[in-house]
Amino acid sequence: LAKTTQPISMDSYEGQEVNITCSHNNIATNDYITWYQQFPSQGPRFIIQGYKTKVTNEVASLFIPADRKSSTLSLPRVSLSDTAVYYCLTGGGNKLTFGTGTQLKVEL
Amino acid sequence: EAQVTQNPRYLITVTGKKLTVTCSQNMNHEYMSWYRQDPGLGLRQIYYSMNVEVTDKGDVPEGYKVSRKEKRNFPLILESPSPNQTSLYFCASTGFVGSYEQYFGPGTRLTVT
Repeated sequence: LAKTTQPISMDSYEGQEVNITCSHNNIATNDYITWYQQFPSQGPRFIIQGYKTKVTNEVASLFIPADRKSSTLSLPRVSLSDTAVYYCLTGGGNKLTFGTGTQLKVEL
Repeated sequence: EAQVTQNPRYLITVTGKKLTVTCSQNMNHEYMSWYRQDPGLGLRQIYYSMNVEVTDKGDVPEGYKVSRKEKRNFPLILESPSPNQTSLYFCASTGFVGSYEQYFGPGTRLTVT
């Protein structure tokens, strides 16, 4: 069961790029890395998933080094609406474990 | 519209009074799970189900039961609720085992007094 560690909080300003790093030293060979976003009083929402190297979609990029012991979620040009909690998730098969989450606050 | 629904959204009850929180998805998903969310602890998995009649414990199963008699429904049962089960509960589903793109319900806020 992989345990993940993320910064508790981060602050940024509109228009900046934000990078949130997640540590998962015990990730198993067949585990994927997934990131979710959660707004207050709502369920988490899938952002991006990857196994190794780099993955990019319309919302974010995910960077995973060769040893896969960490991953970095990159949000380009954040806006106020990106203020949320971001969770790093790893898991093998069916048992999924969320990280503690990073509270991102974006200001003007 | 593809969605996961939960009922009730809010519930206040007393210790020991059995309750059920329903969860239903209309996406024909195989995999469903329940989480609880508490301040400072993030999301913790309670139970999950890989398909009809197949369920297994997550990280915090004590005090909870689940059943999966139909593919679309995955109710969470608290036989004898206690105050430490006061929490925000989320149901989620995903298209196939091994996919981590989960669709979450709107949440059920439970208070046990």
